Amino acid sequence: LAKTTQPISMDSYEGQEVNITCSHNNIATNDYITWYQQFPSQGPRFIIQGYKTKVTNEVASLFIPADRKSSTLSLPPVSLSDTAVYYCLVVLDKLIFGTGTRLQVFP
Amino acid sequence: NAGVTQTPKFQVLKTGQSMTLQCAQDMNHNSMYWYRQDPGMGLRLIYYSASEGTTDKGEVPNGYNVSRLNKREFSLRLESAAPSQTSVYFCASSAGQGSYEQYFGPGTRLTVT
Repeated sequence: LAKTTQPISMDSYEGQEVNITCSHNNIATNDYITWYQQFPSQGPRFIIQGYKTKVTNEVASLFIPADRKSSTLSLPPVSLSDTAVYYCLVVLDKLIFGTGTRLQVFP
Repeated sequence: NAGVTQTPKFQVLKTGQSMTLQCAQDMNHNSMYWYRQDPGMGLRLIYYSASEGTTDKGEVPNGYNVSRLNKREFSLRLESAAPSQTSVYFCASSAGQGSYEQYFGPGTRLTVT
């Protein structure tokens, strides 16, 4: 039984908004949901973190429904440099990274 | 301000050898973490230290030990390396207290033959 579920890959074009969803049915009730970006041969880089409803920073928005069983990372109009793998990080019984979504942005 | 540093960057071991991966952070963070990332896969938590003096198992702790030497340093030891431990190892730190805004080191690429 998968602990988290993310789409394996997504394609987009420059200038489009991209939404990536992570499903996490058994999430702990009192911990943040966090999203990271990873480029090849680098460690993950923090994007955004939230507990419920909507959070926005200068990089992205994060939508979390009331039941917290999923979360959606929304990237503003993307550019080629947003091509990367995106991971959710949640607390289930342990701290668990999602399976990752490989985003490819085309010109 | 170097953030999170890891040594070594690369290492090749033979089966059965031991080694210690070093990690240090200069952000005065309370929590530190060790992850492994196998080729084409996501990250899996090996051990973490929520605060100085405490360590806890993560998702995949078998075959590893850790030491939180002080607030800055968190080491990972492989006592008897196995080919299944071939991976990239990342250390991370965070302020803690419920936040998982983690800062990652550059990683150690380990090959066990």
